[in-house]
Amino acid sequence: DTEVTQTPKHLVMGMTNKKSLKCEQHMGHRAMYWYKQKAKKPPELMFVYSYEKLSINESVPSRFSPECPNSSLLNLHLHALQPEDSALYLCASSQVLRLTVNYGYTFGSGTRLTVV
Amino acid sequence: DQQVKQNSPSLSVQEGRISILNCDYTNSMFDYFLWYKKYPAEGPTFLISISSIKDKNEDGRFTVFLNKSAKHLSLHIVPSQPGDSAVYFCAIRPFGNEKLTFGTGTRLTIIP
Repeated sequence: DTEVTQTPKHLVMGMTNKKSLKCEQHMGHRAMYWYKQKAKKPPELMFVYSYEKLSINESVPSRFSPECPNSSLLNLHLHALQPEDSALYLCASSQVLRLTVNYGYTFGSGTRLTVV
Repeated sequence: DQQVKQNSPSLSVQEGRISILNCDYTNSMFDYFLWYKKYPAEGPTFLISISSIKDKNEDGRFTVFLNKSAKHLSLHIVPSQPGDSAVYFCAIRPFGNEKLTFGTGTRLTIIP
């Protein structure tokens, strides 16, 4: 299995809703990431988990709450989002960098989020 | 403060010719340089990478060149094929850090 699976593929939510994005991989990768991509912009890092512990938070607002329940799963909990949070949310995984000499993140197909 | 720039937002190349995509960076403290390809509504797909101790890496039709003195990275695709039409991002990783910073992207269109 060489894929990162993200669900749902599309999500429309109101500003008072609570929803979660899910990401799963079975490649044995111990680093997992959340990226956000707006239209015509590059992906921007939000969070990094290494060995199931949060290692990087790029000053993301608290209305985004990540969770890594085990080495295969990564969630992003959403609450009280704003319309400007509408974007493509990408999950990725990789070997932990200190253990590999060559790597590339494997990305999922993303969740297209629309906040109304 | 954009650390990684791809100055050409778009590029059109005839099928069979060489495509050259460029990337410039501002910080010397990077150790890994990567190229990703992205189709609409899909996640980026890893293409090829190069470490800072090398100046060239080749994989089939794809070759990445690194010029550290000029802080410049390029991707050559030869021969270009219609399936290569996509947005290409360079990405850079600093020493001892898991963060990957992406360039602004170049939309490559291969003309049959």
